Amino acid sequence: TAGITQAPTSQILAAGRSMTLRCTQDMRHNAMYWYRQDLGLGLRLIHYSNTAGTTGKGEVPDGYSVSRANTDDFPLTLASAVPSQTSVYFCASSDGQGTGELFFGEGSRLTVL
Amino acid sequence: GQNIDQPTEMTATEGAIVQINCTYQTSGFNGLFWYQQHAGEAPTFLSYNVLDGLEEKGRFSSFLSRSKGYSYLLLKELQMKDSASYLCAVIDSIYQLIWGAGTKLIIKP
Repeated sequence: TAGITQAPTSQILAAGRSMTLRCTQDMRHNAMYWYRQDLGLGLRLIHYSNTAGTTGKGEVPDGYSVSRANTDDFPLTLASAVPSQTSVYFCASSDGQGTGELFFGEGSRLTVL
Repeated sequence: GQNIDQPTEMTATEGAIVQINCTYQTSGFNGLFWYQQHAGEAPTFLSYNVLDGLEEKGRFSSFLSRSKGYSYLLLKELQMKDSASYLCAVIDSIYQLIWGAGTKLIIKP
């Protein structure tokens, strides 16, 4: 079972360039999330979607955008990357709205130079 | 503000027992998760507590005291593969998930 698939696994990006991190799930979960994880900090929510067609801002949304055209896909776009966006990005999904277990993708390591 | 506190790092010996503490101050409470994260990998679910008391699952147990804003994860019969980070996360009153920074557990032979 694939679960959640993220791509790319890692990427080096020049500052000012745009980048889309892809996330696809095959569990038919309603809720999907994008987190970033930085050393010494907890997972921080960037954007979320409770159901297809809706999205919301998390704790650190600036510089990022998302879309949720269907249940399975939840891409994260950096319109103009900056070095502070260097991080590991995790996509996750759940079948509930906060009380359900989160299933995570394997992560995308992004370096912005 | 909302806050989750966990020790940054702990060291334990193979075969021993270790307790990882988590204290929280959040706007409301709707449950607490523990996740395990091996280096370079994704977090994976370990346990969920919403009522006070101890939940046992094999070598791992998780305890919750809502009145004290406190939880712990107890790992018994430690194995080298238990070397990982352990993340505590609390669901607040509006069903936001608030994450601690994680505790890195180092197991020595």
